[in-house]
Amino acid sequence: GQNIDQPTEMTATEGAIVQINCTYQTSGFNGLFWYQQHAGEAPTFLSYNVLDGLEEKGRFSSFLSRSKGYSYLLLKELQMKDSASYLCAVMDSNYQLIWGAGTKLIIKP
Amino acid sequence: DVKVTQSSRYLVKRTGEKVFLECVQDMDHENMFWYRQDPGLGLRLIYFSYDVKMKEKGDIPEGYSVSREKKERFSLILESASTNQTSMYLCASSSGQGGSEKLFFGSGTQLSVL
Repeated sequence: GQNIDQPTEMTATEGAIVQINCTYQTSGFNGLFWYQQHAGEAPTFLSYNVLDGLEEKGRFSSFLSRSKGYSYLLLKELQMKDSASYLCAVMDSNYQLIWGAGTKLIIKP
Repeated sequence: DVKVTQSSRYLVKRTGEKVFLECVQDMDHENMFWYRQDPGLGLRLIYFSYDVKMKEKGDIPEGYSVSREKKERFSLILESASTNQTSMYLCASSSGQGGSEKLFFGSGTQLSVL
């Protein structure tokens, strides 16, 4: 079966750095997405990785290792507004998205 | 500003009722999707559509149907609502046929079936 694993919840301190991991086992691979979802709101796109390596976008970076079936989202200089759930999703060989359950990130002052 | 609009934020319905959830996008996107989101689970795809009048079953289509009569509108229908359909329903859209197009989501409809 297809599976996406990410931690259920993480806590970090304002101003610090946090890494949210995502491991996957899917039928084929056509890219990995990260979305951010604030409580009660729509998920919004953060990043897309299809090749190995690190993609940096401001305070957020996303890393992919296809051989390990592994990705992480790195958030630097954490702000209170970064408190949200972070969803990892993999596009399989049929171009269908397989979603993880999401990681709830709590930022403390 | 691009937008996906879902008609209701909260809905309360009784078991056996027919329920319509409406979704409209203003981005001229070809692709539209209906997901449900439950605590502790990833988003699960109910139905999707790549073109007007076209529909495809997702992972959990049982108990649902859809309609896409116009490009901008994608409706989800619960023919006879049941308590296990209590959930958050998210509509999304995207452009193109490739694999890298990001999804734009609506704010969701929290449906409670009593």
